[in-house]
Amino acid sequence: SQQGEEDPQALSIQEGENATMNCSYKTSINNLQWYRQNSGRGLVHLILIRSNEREKHSGRLRVTLDTSKKSSSLLITASRAADTASYFCATILTGGGNKLTFGTGTQLKVEL
Amino acid sequence: GAVVSQHPSWVICKSGTSVKIECRSLDFQATTMFWYRQFPKQSLMLMATSNEGSKATYEQGVEKDKFLINHASLTLSTLTVTSAHPEDSSFYICSASIAGSQETQYFGPGTRLLVL
Repeated sequence: SQQGEEDPQALSIQEGENATMNCSYKTSINNLQWYRQNSGRGLVHLILIRSNEREKHSGRLRVTLDTSKKSSSLLITASRAADTASYFCATILTGGGNKLTFGTGTQLKVEL
Repeated sequence: GAVVSQHPSWVICKSGTSVKIECRSLDFQATTMFWYRQFPKQSLMLMATSNEGSKATYEQGVEKDKFLINHASLTLSTLTVTSAHPEDSSFYICSASIAGSQETQYFGPGTRLLVL
């Protein structure tokens, strides 16, 4: 079963704007990861945030984690057309080994 | 580094035939590989976890006799869809984690299967 639900399901913005995607999960986690998937392709790992971390940055990406609310957000700043893709959060549950459980995904479209 | 390949990238087959999909880690050793399936506009659903040299662990609801997984070496895992039916048509994606660094999975490009 899917652990995470993402919001919004779809997001359309103009190039240069920021995009924010949210992920909520249900049970205790070791870490939460964000992945990008271009249409019909495999997944690319973007960033991992551990349960004892609250915020992490990587280039134009900023991820936050609120374990009390069981939620995370992914912010893409100064978006580009090439950022158009589906974005998934995935969690490794506490005691879940290294199995990833994926969220429902957000389809981001960045228009010129 | 950390490149995972899949072969074939797409396959069309007749109902009742078997299809084998290969997943290879090209520049690292993967003690664990994972197989997912993804229906259009949906998320990835884990099918099974494949450990080198041992039997795969299947998720609830996945038929192990239908989806045969073999992980014969540290760089190769195969998924065989036996007696394929149209409802097996999907996008199959594998991933691999580096031995000693299990948190991050590296994904293959996926294999699109269409069963006629």
